[in-house]
Amino acid sequence: DAKTTQPPSMDCAEGRAANLPCNHSTISGNEYVYWYRQIHSQGPQYIIHGLKNNETNEMASLIITEDRKSSTLILPHATLRDTAVYYCILSMYSGGGADGLTFGKGTHLIIQP
Amino acid sequence: NAGVTQTPKFQVLKTGQSMTLQCAQDMNHEYMSWYRQDPGMGLRLIHYSVGAGITDQGEVPNGYNVSRSTTEDFPLRLLSAAPSQTSVYFCASSYSTAKGQPQHFGDGTRLSIL
Repeated sequence: DAKTTQPPSMDCAEGRAANLPCNHSTISGNEYVYWYRQIHSQGPQYIIHGLKNNETNEMASLIITEDRKSSTLILPHATLRDTAVYYCILSMYSGGGADGLTFGKGTHLIIQP
Repeated sequence: NAGVTQTPKFQVLKTGQSMTLQCAQDMNHEYMSWYRQDPGMGLRLIHYSVGAGITDQGEVPNGYNVSRSTTEDFPLRLLSAAPSQTSVYFCASSYSTAKGQPQHFGDGTRLSIL
């Protein structure tokens, strides 16, 4: 059973904000929401994570709903280099333990020039 | 600023051959792990280590061995390669298994078994 649900693909115009949704209705109280992305043929890249509060770093912002059942990753000014598969992952840890990080199929974000 | 380094980047093997995929990190990270990624699928955990001398199995450990004699290195051994092990292999590390520590990934080893 998938713990997160993401749209399989999205398009966004270059220079606009890209908003990637993730549903995680069965999230437990001690699970963090992590976002990673994988640019074609490269290893996954960490973007951001959060527990309850909204978070922002130099790459993106993470908005988590008050009931924590969904979240949105925001890339404020998308560039062509942001074209990648984006993964929303729940984990109590950084990825330690037998569960590791459960990568689903993610969202293929395509930035259009 | 090497981060996580994987070698080789590409490898072709014949069925039944053995080989070792190398992974090294220079960030003094405690936690290291190996994933495989098959076409159109997400990553699946093979083995992991929470520190030197400690290893454990992940979701798909069969056909693979690991050891962790130093903090820096975490090699993955294929004992007798099979075509089903054709995949892209990623090594990852993090400072610890504590909450909120991001994983750092290498660029992968692309392995084909004929």
